[in-house]
Amino acid sequence: AQKVTQAQTEISVVEKEDVTLDCVYETRDTTYYLFWYKQPPSGELVFLIRRNSFDEQNEISGRYSWNFQKSTSSFNFTITASQVVDSAVYFCALSDYDYNQGGKLIFGQGTELSVKP
Amino acid sequence: GAVVSQHPSWVICKSGTSVKIECRSLDFQATTMFWYRQFPKQSLMLMATSNEGSKATYEQGVEKDKFLINHASLTLSTLTVTSAHPEDSSFYICSAKKTGDVYEQYFGPGTRLTVT
Repeated sequence: AQKVTQAQTEISVVEKEDVTLDCVYETRDTTYYLFWYKQPPSGELVFLIRRNSFDEQNEISGRYSWNFQKSTSSFNFTITASQVVDSAVYFCALSDYDYNQGGKLIFGQGTELSVKP
Repeated sequence: GAVVSQHPSWVICKSGTSVKIECRSLDFQATTMFWYRQFPKQSLMLMATSNEGSKATYEQGVEKDKFLINHASLTLSTLTVTSAHPEDSSFYICSAKKTGDVYEQYFGPGTRLTVT
């Protein structure tokens, strides 16, 4: 069965601190995709990144970086020099490619990040 | 591109009535759409997968007679909550996949339903 675990329910940091959000996943499939989404108070999901299971290269996008390690089934997300605007709920999600099922997403429980000025 | 809209953005209805939520892909065709429900402070839970021209596939535990899904065209899927009760109050989010795409889903802004 597929499962995504975000053990950190809430994280509070002070602006300019670095923060890492953890994500651990379970799947039996060899081909799968991992995602991170941001959900601000407005509720609309904002796509941050997609990774496929064959690409373990770390990725950096501005203040955001992602560390994908298949050996530990983890896909962690780090925000460097956090800002108040980063305050939101962040979701990690897993999708394995099943043509019949249409590639549905399994979401983790979410981590609520609060960045204080 | 890849914009998904939902209408209404919020709705209040009385217990026992039905309410319809629309999900539209504005600039692409979507063979597959998904419906999620999110309770406060909780994650998104997939309710059903909607394929154009065929019956929706519901996740375990989701009442198909209560949550009617219709995907009549490549740009529109609707979710009707029938005989709504206060426990149906939630944030409903749809997503759409471009026809031919494998994994990318584009999310709508969500609809907040309150049943009084």
